Amino acid sequence: QKEVEQNSGPLSVPEGAIASLNCTYSDRGSQSFFWYRQYSGKSPELIMFIYSNGDKEDGRFTAQLNKASQYVSLLIRDSQPSDSATYLCAVGGYSSASKIIFGSGTRLSIRP
Amino acid sequence: DAMVIQNPRYQVTQFGKPVTLSCSQTLNHNVMYWYQQKSSQAPKLLFHYYDKDFNNEADTPDNFQSRRPNTSFCFLDIRSPGLGDAAMYLCATSSPGTSGYTFGSGTRLTVV
Repeated sequence: QKEVEQNSGPLSVPEGAIASLNCTYSDRGSQSFFWYRQYSGKSPELIMFIYSNGDKEDGRFTAQLNKASQYVSLLIRDSQPSDSATYLCAVGGYSSASKIIFGSGTRLSIRP
Repeated sequence: DAMVIQNPRYQVTQFGKPVTLSCSQTLNHNVMYWYQQKSSQAPKLLFHYYDKDFNNEADTPDNFQSRRPNTSFCFLDIRSPGLGDAAMYLCATSSPGTSGYTFGSGTRLTVV
């Protein structure tokens, strides 16, 4: 059974600080890694994807991948109240059309 | 704008009464997926179509069926909804060369 594990939270972070979200996965053959943001009652929205070991930065977001440790993380710098949401880690295969397995998400709360 | 559209946004159905949820896309993506998401849980893949090829997940109940009459449309049929089928149903699309999925806004199903 392929699994994606996340701490459910809630993770509470003061406004302006760095939020760090973590994820582990069980399938060593996984090749594509995604972070989705989901506001309550809404559908997931893709915010980052990463395919290679190391860091990938996009604005305030940095995704980090360590395939040897089967570990993916998301850093959010200068956290804003609008970042309060559930963050879903998702893991897929080689093809971008491969099916993706989702974690159950970490609920992030940014306190003013 | 190119997008994935799900109708209706909210659906109330009676216990045991067949219901159909619809999804359409203007992205011309090859792959369409149906996920079920219950509160505070990971989206769970029910099935997906790669073009006309149907792929059912092993643990998807027989009560759930799907149709894809053409590239643009995909339907989820629940033959005899039970109380346990109340959930958010998410349609998503992807294609070789895209990164991650594009989700529709979801249909919230209530069974009474």
